[in-house]
Amino acid sequence: GENVEQHPSTLSVQEGDSAVIKCTYSDSASNYFPWYKQELGKGPQLIIDIRSNVGEKKDQRIAVTLNKTAKHFSLHITETQPEDSAVYFCAASRRSGGSYIPTFGRGTSLIVHP
Amino acid sequence: KAGVTQTPRYLIKTRGQQVTLSCSPISGHRSVSWYQQTPGQGLQFLFEYFSETQRNKGNFPGRFSGRQFSNSRSEMNVSTLELGDSALYLCASSLLGGRESTDTQYFGPGTRLTVL
Repeated sequence: GENVEQHPSTLSVQEGDSAVIKCTYSDSASNYFPWYKQELGKGPQLIIDIRSNVGEKKDQRIAVTLNKTAKHFSLHITETQPEDSAVYFCAASRRSGGSYIPTFGRGTSLIVHP
Repeated sequence: KAGVTQTPRYLIKTRGQQVTLSCSPISGHRSVSWYQQTPGQGLQFLFEYFSETQRNKGNFPGRFSGRQFSNSRSEMNVSTLELGDSALYLCASSLLGGRESTDTQYFGPGTRLTVL
């Protein structure tokens, strides 16, 4: 089955710096790649996603890049703020039965110091 | 618009018991998925329901089951609880299960299950 590796497991940055989280996947059938932010005591929240026919997508301070050949995708957060502190999960999803089945990375704990 | 709600938020059970968790999706959403989150295994897909039918199932034993009602509300059941079933169980809903590029999946806050 699909295997998703996520690095780093912990990332500590100063406010205003950029943060990059990287994921690799193994199943070439995966074609949908969402990123989630999970704050303490809450469920994951989708922050950005990318589909396999696109190489890059941006939404304000957040961007995601996808390299299908190398099977890796990355999350970029610019001008980090303390409220960006949370655990971030990547996922690689494949179509099955009309929906997407995700395999998640183990998560990255991002700490933004004021 | 109300978000995904899950009840109860916290639950304590003992080994061998069974448990039922409930999820109410966002109004109009027909797809409901369940996930298990543990420190050891991370976030894992359990199953997905759409219009009362199970469309997909993750790699979990038959002790884990679910169903969806005509109003899209869903329940999951775990029978013969084991210590390793202690986890945060998350429910997520979407309109169609992610088929369209704008079909976002929204998670509930989860039910924290502790098995003693």
